[in-house]
Amino acid sequence: QQPVQSPQAVILREGEDAVINCSSSKALYSVHWYRQKHGEAPVFLMILLKGGEQKGHEKISASFNEKKQQSSLYLTASQLSYSGTYFCGTERNAGGYQKVTFGIGTKLQVIP
Amino acid sequence: GAVVSQHPSRVICKSGTSVKIECRSLDFQATTMFWYRQFPKKSLMLMATSNEGSKATYEQGVEKDKFLINHASLTLSTLTVTSAHPEDSSFYICSARADEGKGYEQYFGPGTRLTVT
Repeated sequence: QQPVQSPQAVILREGEDAVINCSSSKALYSVHWYRQKHGEAPVFLMILLKGGEQKGHEKISASFNEKKQQSSLYLTASQLSYSGTYFCGTERNAGGYQKVTFGIGTKLQVIP
Repeated sequence: GAVVSQHPSRVICKSGTSVKIECRSLDFQATTMFWYRQFPKKSLMLMATSNEGSKATYEQGVEKDKFLINHASLTLSTLTVTSAHPEDSSFYICSARADEGKGYEQYFGPGTRLTVT
């Protein structure tokens, strides 16, 4: 039930782009993306609510293919501050209540 | 933005004692709060979902009698780790959601690092 994220880790040079993928074996209501820095709590990036929806946050955007039960997070022209572990959270109905299950995370390191 | 606080941020306790962790939504009313546990370099593992005024819903494999959750008001949920053991040592994070339903974001607290000696 845990969504699958890929890649598990990636190292980028400043200015390079990256894509993080998230897929689920279950039908989804929405997908959430968070970034966590070492020793800190996760910080909300964005939610995608509808199939095909794309959202953007500065140079970070995401898409959601409801049919394929997949979401991708796009980081363009990466900055040092983008370093951290990115988690996707997939939301579905579980016995009458909404539940978000997080993937194992993708560790992103941006180097100068 | 919505702010969620947790207290304490760090706690060290002896094996066999109980520890209470508080989670508060400071500037919004949280109808639902979630409790997660995170091991080093691992993902967030949902432990339970609590709704104000009702019993928490625990995930499979999480002992209800060991991890007591109380959601007494729309701004406060507590997690009590009873008879703590060293294997309970972990990073516990709560999150709060303003409304139930599809797609509302969760705001995470800063986490509580529990060490059981």
